[in-house]
Amino acid sequence: EAQVTQNPRYLITVTGKKLTVTCSQNMNHEYMSWYRQDPGLGLRQIYYSMNVEVTDKGDVPEGYKVSRKEKRNFPLILESPSPNQTSLYFCASSPTLGAGNNEKLFFGSGTQLSVL
Amino acid sequence: RKEVEQDPGPFNVPEGATVAFNCTYSNSASQSFFWYRQDCRKEPKLLMSVYSSGNEDGRFTAQLNRASQYISLLIRDSKLSDSATYLCVVNKRGGFKTIFGAGTRLFVKA
Repeated sequence: EAQVTQNPRYLITVTGKKLTVTCSQNMNHEYMSWYRQDPGLGLRQIYYSMNVEVTDKGDVPEGYKVSRKEKRNFPLILESPSPNQTSLYFCASSPTLGAGNNEKLFFGSGTQLSVL
Repeated sequence: RKEVEQDPGPFNVPEGATVAFNCTYSNSASQSFFWYRQDCRKEPKLLMSVYSSGNEDGRFTAQLNRASQYISLLIRDSKLSDSATYLCVVNKRGGFKTIFGAGTRLFVKA
């Protein structure tokens, strides 16, 4: 089944304890992206990747890192989480982007992160 | 000003009603437009793309007005299962960023 798999689904941690949220897609998509969703603000893009070893900042990259060593995986790393990073996180992938109608985003199920 | 703006609602409508959502975008270089549906705390799912000529998918009709930088979604004969948040989404021309509106909440009641 074609899908984007995100783990974990829920995560509670404490300030400063490094964590990684994993994201994997099995559709051979070139484009992958991370978003956070907060009430009243909608989804905001954190980082995105156009292909292996090619990543770029979105609108809210501060406090986050990503890597794209393989096409299928795009982990989100919080080196020193803070309470303002408490949010609902979504990973998404797409065959490509900026290329017309073939730009549908496939989303993972989300990760609810709470930083105490 | 947000790049993509939507009326947050909520819209409370009875079953069978017709409801319309509006969305405006500020960047004239925007290339592609979409409506996504999101159920509470779940992942967004594509409802439909929006084309310049307008397009329809069953009870759903989407329209784009590039001159006014305005997108709309019309839902006819509302069902209880249409209750969700509807997200207006814009991709910039030649870019790799997707901009989401904050969403419009719809409640359809029996």
